[in-house]
Amino acid sequence: GDSVTQMEGPVTLSEEAFLTINCTYTATGYPSLFWYVQYPGEGLQLLLKATKADDKGSNKGFEATYRKETTSFHLEKGSVQVSDSAVYFCALHLRGSSNTGKLIFGQGTTLQVKP
Amino acid sequence: NAGVTQTPKFRILKIGQSMTLQCTQDMNHNYMYWYRQDPGMGLKLIYYSVGAGITDKGEVPNGYNVSRSTTEDFPLRLELAAPSQTSVYFCASSKGQDGSTEAFFGQGTRLTVV
Repeated sequence: GDSVTQMEGPVTLSEEAFLTINCTYTATGYPSLFWYVQYPGEGLQLLLKATKADDKGSNKGFEATYRKETTSFHLEKGSVQVSDSAVYFCALHLRGSSNTGKLIFGQGTTLQVKP
Repeated sequence: NAGVTQTPKFRILKIGQSMTLQCTQDMNHNYMYWYRQDPGMGLKLIYYSVGAGITDKGEVPNGYNVSRSTTEDFPLRLELAAPSQTSVYFCASSKGQDGSTEAFFGQGTRLTVV
C-alpha cells in the first residue's frame, strides 16, 4: 500500500548545524509531497510542498526536492536554530479519481536543537 | 482569524463513557478530516468529509462516528471509550480537491481513557 517512511528520531543538533531528515515514499500513483511541522503544544502546519518531480519546495530556510527516481523528499536546512525544535512530518497525497485531499503521514521525526 | 478550532483541549474519560470532540472551521472549506496521533506512529485518518452531509471512513474508523450537518462543523463521537482510544486527536480542513493545497489543523485534543 501507499506509505511514507521517515528517519527515526530524535535528532539532536547544535545551533547552526546542518539538518537532513530523510523521507521516502511508496505510492501507486503520482503523489504530491509535503512537510508539516508541529511545534510543542500546537497542531501541524504546512512547512513546504512539491507537486511534481524535480520541484523544490522551500520555506523559512528549509528545502526539499521531489526525487521521483529515488522516491524521496528529504528535508534540509543549512543552519538550524533553537526555534526549529519541533516534530517534522513528511506526507503524501495521491492524485486520482477519488481526490479527497486526505494525507498519508510518516511517523514524524523529533528535532532538538541545543544552543 | 480562527482557522480550525477544536474543543476540548484535554479530557480524561472512564472506560465505557461517551464524548464528542468538537471541530469547527471558518474558512468555508468543503473538506474536513479527523486524525489520531499515537507516539511514534504518525497520524492516522479516522473519518473524513468532502462536504455537508457526506462522510466516509478512513484508515481507523472503529469505535468512532462523525456527522457533517454544516460546512463549518465536523464533530467526532466516541460512544464507548476504550483505553486503545487514548491518543491526541486532530481535526483538519482543506479547500483543494486535488490535495496540492494546504491542510489546516486544529491544536488537538489530548484524550486519556482510564
